[in-house]
Amino acid sequence: KQEVTQIPAALSVPEGENLVLNCSFTDSAIYNLQWFRQDPGKGLTSLLLIQSSQREQTSGRLNASLDKSSGRSTLYIAASQPGDSATYLCAVRPNQAGTALIFGKGTTLSVSS
Amino acid sequence: DADVTQTPRNRITKTGKRIMLECSQTKGHDRMYWYRQDPGLGLRLIYYSFDVKDINKGEISDGYSVSRQAQAKFSLSLESAIPNQTALYFCATSAGLAGFNEQFFGPGTRLTVL
Repeated sequence: KQEVTQIPAALSVPEGENLVLNCSFTDSAIYNLQWFRQDPGKGLTSLLLIQSSQREQTSGRLNASLDKSSGRSTLYIAASQPGDSATYLCAVRPNQAGTALIFGKGTTLSVSS
Repeated sequence: DADVTQTPRNRITKTGKRIMLECSQTKGHDRMYWYRQDPGLGLRLIYYSFDVKDINKGEISDGYSVSRQAQAKFSLSLESAIPNQTALYFCATSAGLAGFNEQFFGPGTRLTVL
């Protein structure tokens, strides 16, 4: 059974720091991996989607990498801002037909000004 | 306007009541999903549908049922609500393989069962 783990569960940094959030998964047979942002009590906003054949995706100050063989993905946030404070969720879609996303429990990021 | 909408946004109900949560989307996607989110447990899949005639159970379907009334509408029902169904419920959509299956989420429904 696929399991997704995110470490650390919580992270506090001062404004301006570059930071890395980690995501690991137990089965490398994935179709894609998606990173989301969730603000308290709100829905999920898709940040980046990486296909299994890709190594990384970039959007603005965000860069996500994927190493499928080792079961790892990282989300790099450059020059963090207080507005980046949120919970970041990683989710994988297994290869098997008819399956939906399997989520990690998230990393809650707090950026202080 | 939001692409994925959920109604109601908040609902408080009593044990034993029947509850329906509704989801509508204007993205034209064929795939729709229902998840629930609990503190410390993350998001878990309840049901999913890949087209109007396709309904599949997810990880935690017991106590829930769904109806796919049209491509754009997917409703979740709790036939007899119980307190441990108190959670944040999300609907999501995706375009299937042609759209690389990126999922888009609605704003959520906060359900409290007393």
